[in-house]
Amino acid sequence: QSVLTQPPSASGTPGQRVSISCSGSSANIGRTTVTWYQQLPGTAPKLLIYDNDQRPSGVPDRFSGSKSGTSASLAISGLQSEDEGDYFCAAWDDIVYGGVFGGGTKLTVL
Amino acid sequence: QVQLLESGPGLVTPSQTLSLTCTVSGDSVRSAIYYWTWIRQHPGKGLEWIGYIYHSGRSYYNPSLKSRVTMSVDTSKNQFSLRLNSVTAADTAVYFCARAAECSGGDCLRPFDFWGQGTLVTVSS
Repeated sequence: QSVLTQPPSASGTPGQRVSISCSGSSANIGRTTVTWYQQLPGTAPKLLIYDNDQRPSGVPDRFSGSKSGTSASLAISGLQSEDEGDYFCAAWDDIVYGGVFGGGTKLTVL
Repeated sequence: QVQLLESGPGLVTPSQTLSLTCTVSGDSVRSAIYYWTWIRQHPGKGLEWIGYIYHSGRSYYNPSLKSRVTMSVDTSKNQFSLRLNSVTAADTAVYFCARAAECSGGDCLRPFDFWGQGTLVTVSS
């Protein structure tokens, strides 16, 4: 069972906007920044969002992140078939005193 | 472009030590900015942070693995390494090395901005 909780699956049709949640506590999301990773089938994860809402160079602005209290959210607008894959949130946890990941959300583009 | 490449045995015997090396190109492990990290992914499962290390040797390990993990840096070869001892079948996973960039404020988990392709390590007799 992961310290950060994500829905196991999400889906949408091309062009739609999809949101993926990441729920934590005051020991992690509530006190520090959140990072999001995208893992396409058969590949290594890729950094998508850091410091809650910052996009690395090269990540399309269709991807956006936000945080409120002990929860964070990744939004993908203008959904494309190539967005299909797994998405993971991550943060530092002060109780575990280490990095923790969410269990991952499998995004399906219908 | 920064590239990382994991290397090491794909099969380890139970109770033995898993040893992996990550070779970095396009950046220096001596960098004052970045840490260097190991992450693993059990088959069909999520990601698990193992820990990260700075070129000085300063390291942070996942508390659940801390008693069995050692990381090191070899600046002369621009490499960093992972040793995990007393392995069991539960340590079977794809192991990734990655570069850990800066994050803002206090205790935060550094974002992993460049990753190796990953290497599958199976623990079996």
